[in-house]
Amino acid sequence: SAVISQKPSRDICQRGTSLTIQCQVDSQVTMMFWYRQQPGQSLTLIATANQGSEATYESGFVIDKFPISRPNLTFSTLTVSNMSPEDSSIYLCSVNHVGGTGELFFGEGSRLTVL
Amino acid sequence: QKEVEQNSGPLSVPEGAIASLNCTYSDRGSQSFFWYRQYSGKSPELIMSIYSNGDKEDGRFTAQLNKASQYVSLLIRDSQPSDSATYLCAVTIDVDMRFGAGTRLTVKP
Repeated sequence: SAVISQKPSRDICQRGTSLTIQCQVDSQVTMMFWYRQQPGQSLTLIATANQGSEATYESGFVIDKFPISRPNLTFSTLTVSNMSPEDSSIYLCSVNHVGGTGELFFGEGSRLTVL
Repeated sequence: QKEVEQNSGPLSVPEGAIASLNCTYSDRGSQSFFWYRQYSGKSPELIMSIYSNGDKEDGRFTAQLNKASQYVSLLIRDSQPSDSATYLCAVTIDVDMRFGAGTRLTVKP
């Protein structure tokens, strides 16, 4: 499977600031997704990152709060804007592969703590 | 109704026993079904996928799918302490993957 690199792996942020998380994959993939996992919870899909166009957001998530870019097939960024303590979470980049059968593979995650 | 439901546990089994993890889903259009293992502080790791009714075996793991009952299960034979983790059931609806809340499994030596 592809190697999925996320950075930062963790960060502590101040309320009201924004942070951009990067996701780099070492091979071409078809789909890239961003998930959130709040403490003790399961994974919630934030959005599908579309190459060269606006991301597709799930209900409850908006572009102003979580702007996403995907300039090419192997790279995407997620920005968490105007952070509050409720945004403290693990953010996970995930991909499925060209020719795959729908399995998702995950990066190591970015653990954000907002003070 | 949640799209994917799991018993959150915790489920505790002795070493060497069979662990049985269950999952139900609400959308009959669901196409693909997966089990992920997540160790504390780590990201989910795919352990099984199943696409058609019946059983699929891979080593100590067996996934079972019953689309009529909208039910997926995972059996872990000869459970080991290293199997202690949270197991996430996942279902794809169109291109989106939805996850259950996860079942925490503890295998006691």
